[in-house]
Amino acid sequence: AQKITQTQPGMFVQEKEAVTLDCTYDTSDQSYGLFWYKQPSSGEMIFLIYQGSYDEQNATEGRYSLNFQKARKSANLVISASQLGDSAMYFCAMREGSSARQLTFGSGTQLTVLP
Amino acid sequence: NAGVTQTPKFQVLKTGQSMTLQCAQDMNHEYMSWYRQDPGMGLRLIHYSVGAGITDQGEVPNGYNVSRSTTEDFPLRLLSAAPSQTSVYFCASSAFAGGITDTQYFGPGTRLTVL
Repeated sequence: AQKITQTQPGMFVQEKEAVTLDCTYDTSDQSYGLFWYKQPSSGEMIFLIYQGSYDEQNATEGRYSLNFQKARKSANLVISASQLGDSAMYFCAMREGSSARQLTFGSGTQLTVLP
Repeated sequence: NAGVTQTPKFQVLKTGQSMTLQCAQDMNHEYMSWYRQDPGMGLRLIHYSVGAGITDQGEVPNGYNVSRSTTEDFPLRLLSAAPSQTSVYFCASSAFAGGITDTQYFGPGTRLTVL
């Protein structure tokens, strides 16, 4: 079974609008961490935001926030006020407590911001 | 501060050739890892290291060797290149090994083509 599922291969959003990128995960561990990375067309992987399984508050970093719903095992990334520079591939990843040395990635969502 | 550096940026090999992808970090990180990224897929872990002299296999280790003689360097060796190893390779590091909160920072990637 897939540990990280990103069901949206591609998304479009109008500039200045908010967008939600979906991520669901599968783990039996109680302790785990969830990460989002951005990969622009230049190819580098840029860390955006982190959420721990025991964190009571949803993580926020500037225009990025993580909508963490533990019971549903979802960790959706919300980007507010989209900018043209947000056009990129976005990856959700998880590190489980039982295998914390490994980061498992989803297949990614290609976001395009329209002017 | 250079962060994580990788060389070369691009490489073309013939089937059966061997080569070494270089990775270095200047952040005194304990943990280093190698991933490969194939089209339509997220990153998959090849090998990782939790400190000098300690390495272990990830999800897709076949056809690759690693060693870690210093904290800074973590080279990836392709023993006998095959077309199936055509991919983009990323090196990553994080401060500590085994922590679920530990953010991994990625190098710029090496695009490898095996003919």
